[in-house]
Amino acid sequence: DSGVTQTPKHLITATGQRVTLRCSPRSGDLSVYWYQQSLDQGLQFLIQYYNGEERAKGNILERFSAQQFPDLHSELNLSSLELGDSALYFCASSVGGARTGELFFGEGSRLTVL
Amino acid sequence: DQQVKQNSPSLSVQEGRISILNCDYTNSMFDYFLWYKKYPAEGPTFLISISSIKDKNEDGRFTVFLNKSAKHLSLHIVPSQPGDSAVYFCAASAEEYGNKLVFGAGTILRVKS
Repeated sequence: DSGVTQTPKHLITATGQRVTLRCSPRSGDLSVYWYQQSLDQGLQFLIQYYNGEERAKGNILERFSAQQFPDLHSELNLSSLELGDSALYFCASSVGGARTGELFFGEGSRLTVL
Repeated sequence: DQQVKQNSPSLSVQEGRISILNCDYTNSMFDYFLWYKKYPAEGPTFLISISSIKDKNEDGRFTVFLNKSAKHLSLHIVPSQPGDSAVYFCAASAEEYGNKLVFGAGTILRVKS
């Protein structure tokens, strides 16, 4: 158990819909990262928050947005969903930066868009 | 643009033998490298890392080798155990990218008993 909690674990929805994925980081971790893993792809970095502020942005689509709340939990909002958005979405947390430190990953949220 | 490549989608090894997982990178700015392991239905977990100022780092049965001139790193597992069967991801970071880790696509390791 990494200490990072993600909900829901599985989600099935239709194209055009909007979903919210939730992440609770490990106790004491200020940084939250979101990654997307599509079929046969590596983990694609989407976005990082540190103590409530956006710190780094990756290849995140404009239809996607995220935020980190004062209690440090984070939400990833995916809107106008397309078939290609079907993927495993991971949240990870770390005490500080992940560059040379360890990232702690949740179990992921599997999104299926039909 | 895949800056971190794991060209072998899968690898099968007999228990007790050595497993060698390879990773190549294209960006010479990368100066820190990490390996993560992932079991089914779980998130990736950190395994071992190496800084570009070193060419080897060892932790128990796991050793990572870095060849900067070839932009290549490898993870050696000796001896391999059935519990090592998992997906292994190579990741790299560069100061210019901040805290972003760039991951490879992963290699599925199967250790046969």
